Amino acid sequence: KAGVTQTPRYLIKTRGQQVTLSCSPISGHRSVSWYQQTPGQGLQFLFEYFSETQRNKGNFPGRFSGRQFSNSRSEMNVSTLELGDSALYLCASSVSQVFYEQYFGPGTRLTVT
Amino acid sequence: AQSVTQLGSHVSVSEGALVLLRCNYSSSVPPYLFWYVQYPNQGLQLLLKYTTGATLVKGINGFEAEFKKSETSFHLTKPSAHMSDAAEYFCAVSDPPGNQFYFGTGTSLTVIP
Repeated sequence: KAGVTQTPRYLIKTRGQQVTLSCSPISGHRSVSWYQQTPGQGLQFLFEYFSETQRNKGNFPGRFSGRQFSNSRSEMNVSTLELGDSALYLCASSVSQVFYEQYFGPGTRLTVT
Repeated sequence: AQSVTQLGSHVSVSEGALVLLRCNYSSSVPPYLFWYVQYPNQGLQLLLKYTTGATLVKGINGFEAEFKKSETSFHLTKPSAHMSDAAEYFCAVSDPPGNQFYFGTGTSLTVIP
């Protein structure tokens, strides 16, 4: 069974632009969570979707948004990029809304210049 | 609020020596507990987890961890370190159990030949 896939793997954007990242969960998994990982802040929870509905949201500004499609694939969008948004963005999937475990993708490395 | 503390952001051990990575959490009820490993430029891989039942859990690559409710700890151990164990290790809790994940700040393990 294929793992969690994230595209693109690397991205370079300019301050003020917007970006969309994509995540395809493991087949059969219906929950997708997004995390931001930076050297200074570690892993921070962005939001979680289950069956196309946002179930939980972390403490990030409204520039960060996401959505989930009927096939469980998820996208996250960051508008008006700032230098501080440079990070590794990780997606994780779980079978259900009860997290007995989460499986992570390889991440998208976003660099904002 | 839930917190996860990993004592020691950097740990160095000699090859063949015992690996001990510490994790403490704050919660009024036993949460679900996890250890993940991250290799450079990769996502997080689940090492082991505790949800219910036996408090000593065994994971992949020879790692194990013991849930101690009285100490609110979930320390990760491995009897004999290999060079391939060099990586970043994250402790995580799901609190309430099955709900949002909270990650520690990570411990970088170096294995000295």
